[in-house]
Amino acid sequence: DIQMTQSPSSLSASVGDRVTITCRASQIISNYLNWYQQKPGKAPKLLIYAASSLQSGVPSRFSGSGSGTDFTLTISSLQPEDFATYYCHQSYSTPPTFGQGTKLEIK
Amino acid sequence: QVQLVQSGAEVKKPGASVKVSCKASGYTFTSYGISWVRQAPGQGLEWMGWISAYNGNTNYAQKLQGRVTMSTDTSTSTAYMELRSLRSGDTAVYSCARLNSGNRDAFDIWGQGTLVTVSS
Repeated sequence: DIQMTQSPSSLSASVGDRVTITCRASQIISNYLNWYQQKPGKAPKLLIYAASSLQSGVPSRFSGSGSGTDFTLTISSLQPEDFATYYCHQSYSTPPTFGQGTKLEIK
Repeated sequence: QVQLVQSGAEVKKPGASVKVSCKASGYTFTSYGISWVRQAPGQGLEWMGWISAYNGNTNYAQKLQGRVTMSTDTSTSTAYMELRSLRSGDTAVYSCARLNSGNRDAFDIWGQGTLVTVSS
C-alpha cells in the first residue's frame, strides 16, 4: 500500500495567515493527489483534485501543487471558517490511502 | 442538488451485522462508483472498498475481505454496505462517497456519515 505522510500533524495560525500543509507519498503517484477539509461532526469536503485543480465552489484562497511524491496545500489568507482538519488522499492505486490529517487550530 | 443521504445511527452487539444505505440523488447513479470510508473515533480515514454502480463490480480492502459486502439497487439509486461479525474495533462513522473518475478518482460528494457503535 502507498503510505501518505502529512506534515505538520497540527498547526496553530491566525486569521489572515498564509498556511502550507505538506503531503509525501511513499512512491510516485503522478498527480493522483486530492485534498479534503473536515470539520468536527461533518463529512470530508473535497477542496483540490488532481494535485492542483480547485473543486467547484471552493474559494480561490485554497491552492494545491506538486507531482510525483511531494505535494502541498496552501491557504493564502486564513479565514475563521478554515479552521478544520485537512487530509490528503492518493487515488493512484488501490487501496486508496489517506494521510493522517493536519489539524489547523486558531492561535 | 447532487447529494448522498445515508441511513441513521446503529447500535449493535459484537458478532452482529449492520447494513448501511446511501441514497443518491441529483445525478445519474450508474455513471459513478461509490466508495465506503470509515473513521473510528478520533482517528483518520480508512477506505473500505468500492462498488461500480454501473455493473456491480466490487473491490474490498484486504483487511475486511470476507466480512464486508457492498451492493447497489439501481431502481432506487441506493448503495449498501453490510459488515458482519462486528467487533468493538468496528465502532466508527461510516461514509459513502461518490468516486469521480473524471477528477482523478477523487471523492467529490460524501454522505453525511452513519455512526455504528458496537457494544455489548
